Amino acid sequence: DQQVKQNSPSLSVQEGRISILNCDYTNSMFDYFLWYKKYPAEGPTFLISISSIKDKNEDGRFTVFLNKSAKHLSLHIVPSQPGDSAVYFCAAPGAYSGAGSYQLTFGKGTKLSVIP
Amino acid sequence: NAGVMQNPRHLVRRRGQEARLRCSPVKGHSHVYWYRQLPEEGLKFMVYLQKENIIDESGMPKERFSAEFPKEGPSILRIQQVVRGDSAAYFCASSKAGEADTQYFGPGTRLTVL
Repeated sequence: DQQVKQNSPSLSVQEGRISILNCDYTNSMFDYFLWYKKYPAEGPTFLISISSIKDKNEDGRFTVFLNKSAKHLSLHIVPSQPGDSAVYFCAAPGAYSGAGSYQLTFGKGTKLSVIP
Repeated sequence: NAGVMQNPRHLVRRRGQEARLRCSPVKGHSHVYWYRQLPEEGLKFMVYLQKENIIDESGMPKERFSAEFPKEGPSILRIQQVVRGDSAAYFCASSKAGEADTQYFGPGTRLTVL
């Protein structure tokens, strides 16, 4: 049972345009979310996070939006650059009620390709 | 300031052999986590360790898998009598005490079982 879902396995965007990566979750116990970026043959790199007390968090070109009622979050990258081409994972600590917050539950990832 | 280091980066084993994966956390981090990524899947939690203690191994298969984080030296993930289904990327992450929900990942070890 996937508790964190990234339904788009891939996304192609023109350089300079906006990239929007989506993530849905089913567990209402999740109250903190992270986005990781992963290049081939490397480990995931922490990108940005958001707490459930906020609905938006911004860091440079990256903004994460959280819609708690819809159990949906999205990562916006604007403007997109070729170096942003990578796999992006949405993650939440705590797989289930009672689990430690250290247990990150990951989505399957979305592969972003930014076309020059 | 070095990040999480893992070695080897690639490991090939035949069925029935043992695999040992090593992880050195970020300097100053006392918590280590191991995750496994199967092809086309997200990372799945396996085990959480602090120095000389296994805190949570609920994500580890019950047999053949073990992990340790000794007082000195790297954390070790050990897989005995490997099978083809163990082929995966194994990632180690570390965090500071009290910041377990923000983990920093190593480059991973890609295990291939022939």
